[in-house]
Amino acid sequence: GAVVSQHPSRVICKSGTSVKIECRSLDFQATTMFWYRQFPKQSLMLMATSNEGSKATYEQGVEKDKFLINHASLTLSTLTVTSAHPEDSSFYICSARDPRQDEAFFGQGTRLTVV
Amino acid sequence: QKEVEQDPGPLSVPEGAIVSLNCTYSNSAFQYFMWYRQYSRKGPELLMYTYSSGNKEDGRFTAQVDKSSKYISLFIRDSQPSDSATYLCAMSEGGTYKYIFGTGTRLKVLA
Repeated sequence: GAVVSQHPSRVICKSGTSVKIECRSLDFQATTMFWYRQFPKQSLMLMATSNEGSKATYEQGVEKDKFLINHASLTLSTLTVTSAHPEDSSFYICSARDPRQDEAFFGQGTRLTVV
Repeated sequence: QKEVEQDPGPLSVPEGAIVSLNCTYSNSAFQYFMWYRQYSRKGPELLMYTYSSGNKEDGRFTAQVDKSSKYISLFIRDSQPSDSATYLCAMSEGGTYKYIFGTGTRLKVLA
């Protein structure tokens, strides 16, 4: 299957700071990428849909000013958690749609811990 | 009511057993049904992908979709300790890649 790389895999930051997470499609161009959040023992919850060259579409209840998404190229989408708080600590996972295979592939996830 | 319901487990079975994992859903517009396996602290990896109703088999894995009952299943034959993981069902409507996930079922296969 196609490869989606997410970086960093793990990050610890202080409360009040911002953290950027990158999601890259390594061997295909992804016009659409998705960002999910997964709390312990819970399901993946879709946060937003990221479309290259346009504004992201956020799911209900997700603060777009807090979770900034930029999809500046066909192979890169970034999620920035601004003014992070301990309750933002979670596992963040991206997926990218591969139009060649009509399937979305997931990154390995980023574990964010806010202290 | 959640759109997708899945028993979180944990489900413990002996090696070699047949495992049955299930999800129910409420949105009749779902057309694509997926099963993912997720190891601890890793991203999910796709196991099976089914469009609409019917069965699909791949090695030791069989996926079944019953749209009339809004019920999907994943069967694992001859289960192995390496199958121990969390299994997530996911669904989407036609033409979108917005996947709605179940909570995942934690499976433990005992050697």
